[in-house]
Amino acid sequence: GDSVTQMEGPVTLSEEAFLTINCTYTATGYPSLFWYVQYPGEGLQLLLKATKADDKGSNKGFEATYRKETTSFHLEKGSVQVSDSAVYFCALSSSYNTDKLIFGTGTRLQVFP
Amino acid sequence: EAGVVQSPRYKIIEKKQPVAFWCNPISGHNTLYWYRQNLGQGPELLIRYENEEAVDDSQLPKDRFSAERLKGVDSTLKIQPAELGDSAVYLCASSSQGQGIFYEQYFGPGTRLTVT
Repeated sequence: GDSVTQMEGPVTLSEEAFLTINCTYTATGYPSLFWYVQYPGEGLQLLLKATKADDKGSNKGFEATYRKETTSFHLEKGSVQVSDSAVYFCALSSSYNTDKLIFGTGTRLQVFP
Repeated sequence: EAGVVQSPRYKIIEKKQPVAFWCNPISGHNTLYWYRQNLGQGPELLIRYENEEAVDDSQLPKDRFSAERLKGVDSTLKIQPAELGDSAVYLCASSSQGQGIFYEQYFGPGTRLTVT
């Protein structure tokens, strides 16, 4: 079945460092891909999405490119802030069941000043 | 605009006891989801409603779990009896449309259940 694999955390960075969180997927057809973020004590929020190959999703300085050839959707940010500390989830929805989100296990990011 | 509201935020019960979680979706959202998030894992869909109808409950353990969405607005998820393995965070989400096109799902803060 469809699945998402993302790098284990925690990822610990100093402020202004470059961030990469790896995400790969397994799916039939052409899934849509998402990154969700969960700040402490809050619900998950959609951070960005991409619905077809080579699309780049971006929001709040974060970017991810849908790479079908490598089945990847890595999250990047050029300069992280302390306020980016959160848990980040990669997710997909299949082309035949667009309402069902399949999540990865999440990666905790800790940014220190 | 108010977000998805869930209550209670935390619940501790002994095994074999019943428990219920309540969710109030964003006004006007016709699709409602219940997810379970085990510690260190991503959320997993339990059930999806479109209005009052449960259109996907394939992952709901029906021997002990039940859900309802009366009048197509609020929803309640119940576990009876609870088992130790049910300890998790139960998330509710809502979106404005159903199948065919992705509409953003808005998540509530969740209910953290601990079964002792």
